Amino acid sequence: VQLVESGGGVVQHGGSLRLSCAASGFSFSRYGMHWVRQAPGRGLEWVAFIRYDGDHKYYADSVKGRFTISRDNSKNTLYLQMDTPRDEDTAVYYCANQDDPNYTYYFDNWGQGTLVTVSS
Amino acid sequence: EIVLTQSPATLSLSPGERATLSCRASQSVSSNLAWYQQKPGQAPRIIIYEASNRATGVPARFSGSGSGTDFTLTISSLEPEDFAVYYCQHRYNWPPLTFGGGTKVEIK
Repeated sequence: VQLVESGGGVVQHGGSLRLSCAASGFSFSRYGMHWVRQAPGRGLEWVAFIRYDGDHKYYADSVKGRFTISRDNSKNTLYLQMDTPRDEDTAVYYCANQDDPNYTYYFDNWGQGTLVTVSS
Repeated sequence: EIVLTQSPATLSLSPGERATLSCRASQSVSSNLAWYQQKPGQAPRIIIYEASNRATGVPARFSGSGSGTDFTLTISSLEPEDFAVYYCQHRYNWPPLTFGGGTKVEIK
């Protein structure tokens, strides 16, 4: 299993950024996917989830209405659209999932993370 | 939202010693709790799932216990590679999924 995030960088308040996560080594279209973030020197925070077929999406209250999770199963790719970012959105963003039924809604596969810095 | 509180924030121990980490939930999460290990610059790694089951490839010195609101991760004899930050996470009645604030196990 390999998850590779990209798209991080510096984004200004009022701007937008789209993160991508390229998946390989498992049947991407069969599994739900998550974004989890970690602010510098801080703990882990779950951000969003999308069901295997894209029909159900859930968000943390901290990002609801500003971030949008999506996926393209034909490209084995997960996305996170970040709109109107805030200072507190500065973090390393990981895509994560599980491909073992024992780990459902836990995380046993993680990407290497991509750093997003919100700047004024 | 279920809040997970981990204690202590930092545990200073020597190699070979026993580490006992606590995770307390603000309401019952049954056995729906996992533990992760994170080393600097790396993504987390799952070590325990469903409160007491070791994940694939995790050494037997790691064990988890508890149910309801009180959970414990025990490392029976610390190896040099075990010094890291440990997080608990629940999957009960979500969203949201939440993590504890972490316990850093550092070398004394």
